[in-house]
Amino acid sequence: DARVTQTPRHKVTEMGQEVTMRCQPILGHNTVFWYRQTMMQGLELLAYFRNRAPLDDSGMPKDRFSAEMPDATLATLKIQPSEPRDSAVYFCASGTQVGETQYFGPGTRLLVL
Amino acid sequence: QKEVEQDPGPLSVPEGAIVSLNCTYSNSAFQYFMWYRQYSRKGPELLMYTYSSGNKEDGRFTAQVDKSSKYISLFIRDSQPSDSATYLCAMSRYTGANSKLTFGKGITLSVRP
Repeated sequence: DARVTQTPRHKVTEMGQEVTMRCQPILGHNTVFWYRQTMMQGLELLAYFRNRAPLDDSGMPKDRFSAEMPDATLATLKIQPSEPRDSAVYFCASGTQVGETQYFGPGTRLLVL
Repeated sequence: QKEVEQDPGPLSVPEGAIVSLNCTYSNSAFQYFMWYRQYSRKGPELLMYTYSSGNKEDGRFTAQVDKSSKYISLFIRDSQPSDSATYLCAMSRYTGANSKLTFGKGITLSVRP
């Protein structure tokens, strides 16, 4: 049963600390997305990659957020330094060029104190 | 004004009721329309997928798209307690697996036994 995996599932940290979230897309999927979900804003696209190359990161605060795909099986989203307003659920999703849908991971629930 | 607006809810209905969920959008370039279902503490999963205007039926679920009015709907017939979840509409210019999705904020549905 192929699925997107994300680690950690939960993270509590203090303001100013670095946070790294990891995602393993479904094997064979060439597009990877990072989303953030909050009650106020809903689900927002932060960045996405196709064939490991960044295509669009316009939704991401550039001064503190960075996203990379070191290889086809790993995507990372890093926040440095973290702030309380970054508290949210961060989802990774993956898809293929011909598919209908993006498949979402279970999310990383981040709380910045 | 956001590109995609969704009725905020929450919505509570008795079991067996017909449920109507709606979204409006402003970007006429959207061609692919989706409904995602999200259970508590899970990632969104695709429920319905339509291209351009028209209706699509899948079991108890019917998706409608009216591009002239920039309006999409999801109907749930004979609603069940297991339908209790948050429903998000999503749209894209290109096929959803491989391109940026713009989501509504979601509406939480509760079906009372």
